[in-house]
Amino acid sequence: EVQLLESGGGLVQPGGSLRLSCSASRFIFSNYAMSWVRQAPGKGLEWVSAISGSGGTTYSADSVRGRFTISRDNSNNTLYLQMNSLRAEDTAVYYCAKDRGRIRPVNFDIWGQGTLVTVSS
Amino acid sequence: EIVLTQSPATLSLSPGERATLSCGASQSLSSSYLAWYQQKPGLAPRLLIHDASNRATGIPDRFSGGGSGTDFTLTISGLEPEDFAVYYCQQYGSSQITFGQGTRLEIK
Repeated sequence: EVQLLESGGGLVQPGGSLRLSCSASRFIFSNYAMSWVRQAPGKGLEWVSAISGSGGTTYSADSVRGRFTISRDNSNNTLYLQMNSLRAEDTAVYYCAKDRGRIRPVNFDIWGQGTLVTVSS
Repeated sequence: EIVLTQSPATLSLSPGERATLSCGASQSLSSSYLAWYQQKPGLAPRLLIHDASNRATGIPDRFSGGGSGTDFTLTISGLEPEDFAVYYCQQYGSSQITFGQGTRLEIK
């Protein structure tokens, strides 16, 4: 079964940093773009960032551009999200999602279980 | 940024009834680049429909999507108990992905 497993969430102070990881299995990881999507407590879904299958192109939402960096290691089937200068409004469950496309973000057919990031002093 | 507006915010129906959910885009979506997701409490979203009207793998045929341009619908014919959840539309007409705010489908 195709699977995504996130890790790295936790409690961090405002202004701090955190790196999320997403381990992928049972599909050809490099063939697909990948995204991070977040959901604040009791709120809707917000797309955060995406990366092409090769890792050569990245895309980010305005709300995180310049603070968050998405990357991938195709040799280890792992997706990352480096989050810097964290704010209280970044508190959310962060989902890793497999895209149906290869080049740019389109839509997401496989999701991880999510990892909770809490930004609070 | 393309803004998606879903209506209604909450829809109360009984099992067996037909549900029609709407999603409006602030600008026309090229090639009907719209998807629908279902999310149940505590779980990740599940892709239902892509390209406005194509069911994702394993999705029952009671789920159907339609529309083009700026107006899209998700129809669930013959509601099953497991269909009561929150539904989101998502556009990918631009590389700045956006989601609608969601429609909660609840049991009447």
